Amino acid sequence: SQTIHQWPATLVQPVGSPLSLECTVEGTSNPNLYWYRQAAGRGLQLLFYSVGIGQISSEVPQNLSASRPQDRQFILSSKKLLLSDSGFYLCAWSVLSTEAFFGQGTRLTVV
Amino acid sequence: RKEVEQDPGPFNVPEGATVAFNCTYSNSASQSFFWYRQDCRKEPKLLMSVYSSGNEDGRFTAQLNRASQYISLLIRDSKLSDSATYLCVVNIAYQLIWGAGTKLIIKP
Repeated sequence: SQTIHQWPATLVQPVGSPLSLECTVEGTSNPNLYWYRQAAGRGLQLLFYSVGIGQISSEVPQNLSASRPQDRQFILSSKKLLLSDSGFYLCAWSVLSTEAFFGQGTRLTVV
Repeated sequence: RKEVEQDPGPFNVPEGATVAFNCTYSNSASQSFFWYRQDCRKEPKLLMSVYSSGNEDGRFTAQLNRASQYISLLIRDSKLSDSATYLCVVNIAYQLIWGAGTKLIIKP
């Protein structure tokens, strides 16, 4: 069966520090991968999506970046965090037109 | 106009009542449709897919109206545990378009 792992679950980082969130998927090949952010009480905001290794599409210009070094690995990064980067970050995968499955999320607080 | 629109609520509903949510989408090329449930501070989880013929899973019924471009979710005999935010999702190829969600609060 397919599983998705996302870590860490919570993170407190100072302003200006770097960020690296990792997501891995098991049990499927060539998944579509997504990074979302959700502010408190708000909907999901798509940050990046990837349809294959090295292929990243950005939905929202910001100081975040994403990479997909392997088929089932998706990484969200920042060189310098801003206070506004605080939120609930979710990784998800899907195949073609099927439903998406989410990792448990990372709650990031930038202080 | 947003691509996927939902009434944000909150819907305050007494336990045992029936509640219905609608979700409208703007792209007629949309291929598949889903309802997700998201509990507070948790990740969204798939509640059910929505098929053209309509589908039912226990107390939950989902329907799709392609002509009018909306999907609906009906919850019968609502339980306290149904309190959550319900998200409508439309899939166009690899693009997942999410509604902002409808918050449901079931009151005893």
